[in-house]
This record gives sequence, structure tokens and C-alpha cells, in this order.
Amino acid sequence: GAGVSQSPRYKVAKRGQDVALRCDPISGHVSLFWYQQALGQGPEFLTYFQNEAQLDKSGLPSDRFFAERPEGSVSTLKIQRTQQEDSAVYLCASSLAPGTINTEAFFGQGTRLTVV
Amino acid sequence: QQQVKQSPQSLIVQKGGISIINCAYENTAFDYFPWYQQFPGKGPALLIAIRPDVSEKKEGRFTISFNKSAKQFSLHIMDSQPGDSATYFCAAKAGTALIFGKGTTLSVSS
Repeated sequence: GAGVSQSPRYKVAKRGQDVALRCDPISGHVSLFWYQQALGQGPEFLTYFQNEAQLDKSGLPSDRFFAERPEGSVSTLKIQRTQQEDSAVYLCASSLAPGTINTEAFFGQGTRLTVV
Repeated sequence: QQQVKQSPQSLIVQKGGISIINCAYENTAFDYFPWYQQFPGKGPALLIAIRPDVSEKKEGRFTISFNKSAKQFSLHIMDSQPGDSATYFCAAKAGTALIFGKGTTLSVSS
């Protein structure tokens, strides 16, 4: 695809359910980032992958959040036992070069998660 | 602790006017300062970016002014158009993660 693709676009989960959010980065992009954007706020960093290696997970808010990128392309963000405070838009971004180089990060449209 | 402070929260500008959004930061390790534009239901898209060794960068109607000593940078949108109505985020980077400001909602009235 031409851009970063995220699915599903919308997800409603009952409190306590597990959810899995998918990100298809731009083909060939080494770096992949997950961000959480609460309503009316800027995106907040969750985690970073360089190829299949998760090099930074300092932004993950709790051990209920887990991300993987097993083959260095598609990534999944999993949230276990969802809580109402997890309601947000989850954004995935990818960039061509490793994250420490200042290259443009391309964002997907995000997955809007609503926990009821 | 908010590492990047953005103002104003919202801005209304007449068509053809100049929109100015300001950001301030504390971390002197930041070495990349992009501005992102976000439309409702879309992800942020890079608008323009600057590195701290440059005081100004212009791309079309968009200009970043950077003041390293004051640890401030701003976005100027010249000849603002209704199509510019969106939320704008400044950001800064040191290492891997972008740190975003809280955003400015710009409305350009025709």
C-alpha cells in the first residue's frame, strides 16, 4: 500500500476484554512506532521497533499493553483486560531509517478504541 | 511534566491572514523540531521540520522560526486559507520518540 494502514478503524470493547490492533507500515520501513492520542491531546509515545526488535517500550502505560513485530513488518498492539482509561486513538507510524535519525515519520489513520 | 508547551489552544484567523502558533521546550537534547497537521479522522501529517542549527525554514506558505537561546519555535502560516483549518502539533525529538505539544485548533474563516 501507499501509506501506513491500520485496522480496525474503530473498535468498541467491553471493559475487561482483550483487543488487538494491527499496523501495516510502509513497505521497507525499518522503524515503527505506536502512539496513543487521547481526545483533544497530542499523540503520546508508547513503543518503538527497529525491524523486529522492540528497542523502546518506555511509554507503555502498564503491563496490560503488549506490542510485537515478529517479522519486522506488520505490528500488533495488544491491550489486555481493557479499562475505560484505555479509550483513545492508537496511531502507528513508520519511517525509512532507524529511529535515531531524524527522518520523516508517516502516520496511519489510527484505530479509535472505545471501552464501555 | 510537559516537555513541549504549545499555544494558543485554539486560533481563529480571517482568510488571507497570518496564523502564528508557538511552542517552547526545556530539553536541550532535542535536535529535530517538526510540525504536524491533523484533520479530523486522519493521522498527523508532517508539514515542515527544522533542526536547531537553522533559525528559519520556509516551505511555500509555511515558515518555522527557531530561537535556540530562548528554546522556542513557531509556525507561521501566511495567506491562511479555509483548507488550512485543522489541528496543528509541534513536536521535538531526542532519541527515538517524538514528543508532541497538546495541539492548536486553527479555524480560518472565509
